[in-house]
Amino acid sequence: AQSVTQLDSQVPVFEEAPVELRCNYSSSVSVYLFWYVQYPNQGLQLLLKYLSGSTLVKGINGFEAEFNKSQTSFHLRKPSVHISDTAEYFCAVSVNQGAQKLVFGQGTRLTINP
Amino acid sequence: DGGITQSPKYLFRKEGQNVTLSCEQNLNHDAMYWYRQDPGQGLRLIYYSQIVNDFQKGDIAEGYSVSREKKESFPLTVTSAQKNPTAFYLCASRTGSGYGYTFGSGTRLTVV
Repeated sequence: AQSVTQLDSQVPVFEEAPVELRCNYSSSVSVYLFWYVQYPNQGLQLLLKYLSGSTLVKGINGFEAEFNKSQTSFHLRKPSVHISDTAEYFCAVSVNQGAQKLVFGQGTRLTINP
Repeated sequence: DGGITQSPKYLFRKEGQNVTLSCEQNLNHDAMYWYRQDPGQGLRLIYYSQIVNDFQKGDIAEGYSVSREKKESFPLTVTSAQKNPTAFYLCASRTGSGYGYTFGSGTRLTVV
């Protein structure tokens, strides 16, 4: 079975500062990795995903993430955040077999202060 | 535009009543999923279906039921056996061959 741990439940940062949201996963088989963003009372929007190939993945809204197999991590980064980035962020994993169910972390609430 | 429609957006029910949450997709996706979201717990899988007339329990299926009579529809019933039904419920779908999950905008259920 797979599991995901998001190491910070809340991350406050100032506008235009860089940010890193941390995600570690556990799995006995190869996984696919995702970051989703959720704005209040809305569904989830895909930021980026890692399936294979280059370990540095670029997504929407200036976000990027790096897959580190040895450390089983998939941290999300943005070099300069904006007020509009205030949201909840979820890391998720799935495997390429069966129902390909997504397993989610607990979420990280990113708050941008002016 | 294609997408997933969840209705209603807000739902209030009295304790002991069954309630059905609607999920409809026009993406021609094969697989559909129901997740429950509680603060600080992320999203947990309730039920999923990979084809019509077939579905499987997820991690927290107790107190819930589903049906998949049509490819487009995957309604979730929250029964009176669910001890803590108040939550945000998200429906998702996925194509058979890819990783293009699409999420609905959710239904917030409050049981009083």
